[in-house]
Amino acid sequence: ELKVEQNPLFLSMQEGKNYTIYCNYSTTSDRLYWYRQDPGKSLESLFVLLSNGAVKQEGRLMASLDTKARLSTLHITAAVHDLSATYFCAVDIYYNQAGTALIFGKGTTLSVSS
Amino acid sequence: GAGVSQTPSNKVTEKGKYVELRCDPISGHTALYWYRQSLGQGPEFLIYFQGTGAADDSGLPNDRFFAVRPEGSVSTLKIQRTERGDSAVYLCASSLSGGGTRETQYFGPGTRLLVL
Repeated sequence: ELKVEQNPLFLSMQEGKNYTIYCNYSTTSDRLYWYRQDPGKSLESLFVLLSNGAVKQEGRLMASLDTKARLSTLHITAAVHDLSATYFCAVDIYYNQAGTALIFGKGTTLSVSS
Repeated sequence: GAGVSQTPSNKVTEKGKYVELRCDPISGHTALYWYRQSLGQGPEFLIYFQGTGAADDSGLPNDRFFAVRPEGSVSTLKIQRTERGDSAVYLCASSLSGGGTRETQYFGPGTRLLVL
């Protein structure tokens, strides 16, 4: 059974400091997604990592993928309040060979304080 | 439309009742997905449509759950004889073509279902 584990599940951040959250998955996959969810809102696609060694950056967020270690990291540089949200990583697998499904982690809830 | 829309945004029902949840995908997207998100958890896959047909419904928890997409656009998730454990946020997503191409899925705002 494919498992996707994120840690930490909760992270209280101070403005201006750097942090990293981790996403481990239990089976071979060459594609990993990061989504952001604000309370009561939709999931917003942040990054799609397509291959081993892929690195993508958007503003203060940088995501990377190591398929050999089955690990993705989301690095936050100089945290600001606007980054407070829940972040999900997800892996897609061929499901019953007929379609696709995203398997999500439980999410990491980030809270930024001054 | 500009994004995936879902109606209603909130639904309160009584145990044993029947509910329908609607999803309107991004225009032109042929692949449509339903997920369920319980409090404090990540979304859990339910069913995937490619066009009008359910390409994979193996995530549906039991036969009380059923979904249709008769014209290949709007989809309806139907839950019969609702139980309190069905309470969750039901999310819909769409992607351009699906069919194993593993594209980015774009999510709607969800329908928050509460079964009393």
